[in-house]
Amino acid sequence: GESVGLHLPTLSVQEGDNSIINCAYSNSASDYFIWYKQESGKGPQFIIDIRSNMDKRQGQRVTVLLNKTVKHLSLQIAATQPGDSAVYFCAESPTGANNLFFGTGTRLTVIP
Amino acid sequence: DTEVTQTPKHLVMGMTNKKSLKCEQHMGHRAMYWYKQKAKKPPELMFVYSYEKLSINESVPSRFSPECPNSSLLNLHLHALQPEDSALYLCASSHRDRETEAFFGQGTRLTVV
Repeated sequence: GESVGLHLPTLSVQEGDNSIINCAYSNSASDYFIWYKQESGKGPQFIIDIRSNMDKRQGQRVTVLLNKTVKHLSLQIAATQPGDSAVYFCAESPTGANNLFFGTGTRLTVIP
Repeated sequence: DTEVTQTPKHLVMGMTNKKSLKCEQHMGHRAMYWYKQKAKKPPELMFVYSYEKLSINESVPSRFSPECPNSSLLNLHLHALQPEDSALYLCASSHRDRETEAFFGQGTRLTVV
């Protein structure tokens, strides 16, 4: 598989603050980069993706940034809420097809 | 209906047993997947079915045998498993034109004794 790693295994933030989760990837040929959220006892849930020809994409309260120069991906969550507490995985897809390679994961804990 | 349903939720089996995991979706997705997830680790891709045909097998041992009877169902047949095969087995599906957006089931927590 591909090598997709995260800088920090855990992150704690105060409710209402912004969160930034980082990810490093190794395959410069990857075409899509994706963020998934996994809550305890559940399967991963798609959050947002970004194609390699973009450097920023925004969703509802989330922004994904892609820096291809340093092979770095980040997920920004605005006004973090307790329901955001979960493990966040970055993933990459070399061809945009059905072969996702997941990174290690970061556990986000939101402190009320 | 945006659900992927997996049964059973929990399974304990002996190393000589034969069991099957089942997965069902009614979103019209033509790509379906099996992932294996060990505790505190990311999901690892095992198999991919595209239009009911096996398109990717990530070097999975033959004691795991996938089957896709129709476009809504995906099975994983288990035989002669080892204790190290204990894990959460996740099924997922995606639309052919949006394959990065996979919909995952809750998984089957498998324990091999």
